[in-house]
Amino acid sequence: AQKITQTQPGMFVQEKEAVTLDCTYDTSDQSYGLFWYKQPSSGEMIFLIYQGSYDEQNATEGRYSLNFQKARKSANLVISASQLGDSAMYFCAMRENNAGNMLTFGGGTRLMVKP
Amino acid sequence: DAMVIQNPRYQVTQFGKPVTLSCSQTLNHNVMYWYQQKSSQAPKLLFHYYDKDFNNEADTPDNFQSRRPNTSFCFLDIRSPGLGDAAMYLCATSRGGLGITEAFFGQGTRLTVV
Repeated sequence: AQKITQTQPGMFVQEKEAVTLDCTYDTSDQSYGLFWYKQPSSGEMIFLIYQGSYDEQNATEGRYSLNFQKARKSANLVISASQLGDSAMYFCAMRENNAGNMLTFGGGTRLMVKP
Repeated sequence: DAMVIQNPRYQVTQFGKPVTLSCSQTLNHNVMYWYQQKSSQAPKLLFHYYDKDFNNEADTPDNFQSRRPNTSFCFLDIRSPGLGDAAMYLCATSRGGLGITEAFFGQGTRLTVV
């Protein structure tokens, strides 16, 4: 079974608008962490934001925020005021406390920002 | 300032000719990972080290080996590269132990097999 599911293979957004990238996960562990990474065409994997399973507040980092709904097991990434440089692949990932140090990735969403 | 450095950025190797990719880190993290990423796919974990303890994924081919001579360096050896091994190889590090922290990635090595 898929641990991390990203249902949007590709998305368009108009520059300066907000966009939500979906991520759902599956775990029976009580302690886990959820991450979002951005991968531009150069290939580097850039860490964006982290949400811990025990964190009560949604994580925010500048224009990035994570809409964490624990009961629904979703951890959607919200990018506000999209910029052309946001065009990239975005990966949701999870580390489970009982799985040691493994970081499991979803299939990714390609975001394209239109001028 | 680079914290996880992969060399080289681009590597071309001949079919069947052994090749080694390298990764170094300045973060003093005790966990180091190697991922393989093919075009338009998610990164796939090949193996990882927790300190000197090697953890191989069950479906990682025997053709792939790794060495970690010290905390800072980790190598990926492909003994006999095939055309299907052409991919981006990503090295990452994270702090192990209690608590869950993010993994930091290098810029990757794009491997071409001719």
